[in-house]
Amino acid sequence: DTEVTQTPKHLVMGMTNKKSLKCEQHMGHRAMYWYKQKAKKPPELMFVYSYEKLSINESVPSRFSPECPNSSLLNLHLHALQPEDSALYLCASSQLGTGNTDTQYFGPGTRLTVL
Amino acid sequence: GENVEQHPSTLSVQEGDSAVIKCTYSDSASNYFPWYKQELGKRPQLIIDIRSNVGEKKDQRIAVTLNKTAKHFSLHITETQPEDSAVYFCAAAAGNKLTFGGGTRVLVKP
Repeated sequence: DTEVTQTPKHLVMGMTNKKSLKCEQHMGHRAMYWYKQKAKKPPELMFVYSYEKLSINESVPSRFSPECPNSSLLNLHLHALQPEDSALYLCASSQLGTGNTDTQYFGPGTRLTVL
Repeated sequence: GENVEQHPSTLSVQEGDSAVIKCTYSDSASNYFPWYKQELGKRPQLIIDIRSNVGEKKDQRIAVTLNKTAKHFSLHITETQPEDSAVYFCAAAAGNKLTFGGGTRVLVKP
């Protein structure tokens, strides 16, 4: 398996809902990432996990809560989101862990709409 | 932190012509410079990358050049085809942290 997969593809949620985004890779990559991409903008880094530990948090609001249950899985738990959080959420992975620069491979993303 | 500027924001070329996209970065610690192509509704896909110990790299119709002293790097696409139409992002990385440029929307007219 040479791809990063994400579920669901689309998600619509209310501001009081709790939902989760899921990302999976089976390439043995040691680093996994969450990005947020608004329309016509570049991806913006949110979180980096290296060897299943959170290594970078780009000052993301606490209504976004990442979790890395094992080396292949990355979740993003969502709670009390705002309409401005509507965006494409991209997961990525790279072979090497913290401090090492390496190619990042992106998943197809989850398009999130917050009503 | 790192800041990546990308120009132009839009680029329209005739099929068969060349396209050039330029980026500058601010952090001298950045040592890896990938280019991604993103088609509408799709994931960013790596098309070429270059590391700071290399000045130029070519892969078929695509080439990237890097000037570390000036903190500039550029993407060159020759013999453009309609399927090259997409948004292209440059990026600069130090460690795991990847910072993207603002993107260039390329339209190749048949």
